[in-house]
Amino acid sequence: NAGVTQTPKFQVLKTGQSMTLQCAQDMNHEYMSWYRQDPGMGLRLIHYSVGAGITDQGEVPNGYNVSRSTTEDFPLRLLSAAPSQTSVYFCASSYHRNEAEAFFGQGTRLTVV
Amino acid sequence: AQSVSQHNHHVILSEAASLELGCNYSYGGTVNLFWYVQYPGQHLQLLLKYFSGDPLVKGIKGFEAEFIKSKFSFNLRKPSVQWSDTAEYFCAVKWGKLTFGTGTRLTIIP
Repeated sequence: NAGVTQTPKFQVLKTGQSMTLQCAQDMNHEYMSWYRQDPGMGLRLIHYSVGAGITDQGEVPNGYNVSRSTTEDFPLRLLSAAPSQTSVYFCASSYHRNEAEAFFGQGTRLTVV
Repeated sequence: AQSVSQHNHHVILSEAASLELGCNYSYGGTVNLFWYVQYPGQHLQLLLKYFSGDPLVKGIKGFEAEFIKSKFSFNLRKPSVQWSDTAEYFCAVKWGKLTFGTGTRLTIIP
């Protein structure tokens, strides 16, 4: 009963490095999304997807790329890490119905130095 | 565009006190409203949700929330808080995408 699995849990990057945060779900959910959580700012939507092959930008998409080649996976790519991207990142998935509950991964704490 | 406002940033209560956390949303259409809780060091979990029917919804751990359409509000309540309710609480609205408020940190003093 894995739910939403995020890897890694912790990561330190140097400015300019790139990396991919992995997110996988085993609940056959159509909707997947990435949020960043910063103190006093709540969760801000980075990118989301309503199904395989479909992605869209959220509130703070700059500096991040996503793709959705399968229903299960929704990786988040940082193209050239910046200190402003230091944050905790959460992946979430749900059925596409608007009343559907979102399930969250355990989070990735990313530090960019 | 949909948005959510939580005006209480940090609330401190003693055990057994009553709790009400404010949530206002802006969206002109049918709304689906949620409260999520994040215990220290953990991910978000659903407390309760409203999408239709009785505007008073009951969730887990004794929490409830009332949807008042005329006030665009969905306030969270609990009659008597416990130390274990110390957490951050997020209100959210979903129409296509899920949008969160900035959260309210709740500290319960034993």
